[in-house]
Amino acid sequence: DAKTTQPTSMDCAEGRAANLPCNHSTISGNEYVYWYRQIHSQGPQYIIHGLKNNETNEMASLIITEDRKSSTLILPHATLRDTAVYYCIVRASNFGNEKLTFGTGTRLTIIP
Amino acid sequence: GAVVSQHPSRVICKSGTSVKIECRSLDFQATTMFWYRQFPKQSLMLMATSNEGSKATYEQGVEKDKFLINHASLTLSTLTVTSAHPEDSSFYICSAVRDWITDTQYFGPGTRLTVL
Repeated sequence: DAKTTQPTSMDCAEGRAANLPCNHSTISGNEYVYWYRQIHSQGPQYIIHGLKNNETNEMASLIITEDRKSSTLILPHATLRDTAVYYCIVRASNFGNEKLTFGTGTRLTIIP
Repeated sequence: GAVVSQHPSRVICKSGTSVKIECRSLDFQATTMFWYRQFPKQSLMLMATSNEGSKATYEQGVEKDKFLINHASLTLSTLTVTSAHPEDSSFYICSAVRDWITDTQYFGPGTRLTVL
């Protein structure tokens, strides 16, 4: 699986958009970009994933560059409950058998 | 989203005893479940992949005789920590794949194990 690079930590003001970058310059053509987050002492929560096109759901938007070497997760209106560690993971789809390899993630702190 | 539960959420045991942790997919069937371990201030580390009806696949460095995994049904996988020691104290988290088309893993809330 391709390696990802994320900033160690970020702050964002409550109510503003939080933009979390992820670099994955060695991504392969069949690898997806997944985002999960982990709130303290809880299991990770799935946020969104994509292959080539930008994706949006009720939680966030995922913007993938045209060359697919980087992506940005956007939380449009951050709240205090969005404070968590955010993990960007790149992996191929393998019919449910592909494991996730977690890096160190970005610790996002939402400031009142 | 898909719901995965774990039981117990927290357990304290004496050194040398065995502890069983259950992972259930509540609203879907999961042929594959994964078990992770997370030490304080560290990231999640995959321990093993659990496939329904077959033996689990363990990651390098994880002792299969110490961490027994049983995936007896499409909604239940269990992890038994045998002869637990203080160094096994950790946060154990399972995940389940809802469907192989989207291939998205959904995680349980985790089990905090403390071995005295």
